[in-house]
Amino acid sequence: SQTIHQWPATLVQPVGSPLSLECTVEGTSNPNLYWYRQAAGRGLQLLFYSVGIGQISSEVPQNLSASRPQDRQFILSSKKLLLSDSGFYLCAWKRGGAGEQFFGPGTRLTVL
Amino acid sequence: KNQVEQSPQSLIILEGKNCTLQCNYTVSPFSNLRWYKQDTGRGPVSLTIMTFSENTKSNGRYTATLDADTKQSSLHITASQLSDSASYICVVSAGGSQGNLIFGKGTKLSVKP
Repeated sequence: SQTIHQWPATLVQPVGSPLSLECTVEGTSNPNLYWYRQAAGRGLQLLFYSVGIGQISSEVPQNLSASRPQDRQFILSSKKLLLSDSGFYLCAWKRGGAGEQFFGPGTRLTVL
Repeated sequence: KNQVEQSPQSLIILEGKNCTLQCNYTVSPFSNLRWYKQDTGRGPVSLTIMTFSENTKSNGRYTATLDADTKQSSLHITASQLSDSASYICVVSAGGSQGNLIFGKGTKLSVKP
């Protein structure tokens, strides 16, 4: 069976500090991978998606970046966090096509 | 513009009661519609998926309906339980190789004893 992991589960960071959130998937190969942000009272916003190693598509211009160094690893980064980066970050995976996306447990980021 | 609108924004019901959540969408082309349940602080989990030709689909006490003509969907919860307290998110897939998803903002359901 497939599982998706995210860490850390919660993170409190000062403004201007760097960020690295990690997502890994087990039990499948060559998944499509996604990073979403969910701000309080808002829907999920797609940030990045990747269809393969080193292939990243950005949906929203911002101070965040994503990388996919391995087939089942997806990393969300920032060099300098802003207050507006606070939110709940979700990683998801799916097989190619219009199939179901499976979400990870999420990371709660608070920027102070 | 592809959009998914959900109502109500929030809902409080007593344990054992039924409720219905609404989802209206303007998404083209339409591939499928999913309802997700998201417990507080957790990732969403799929409840049902409906394609263009399906009108009703059930998953235990959850029953989803789809009217592709009016572009409306509903999620009916029967005999609610305290564990049903969560946000319910309607997600419409616009199809394509990437399965472009449009998310509603969700309905926050609270079931009280």
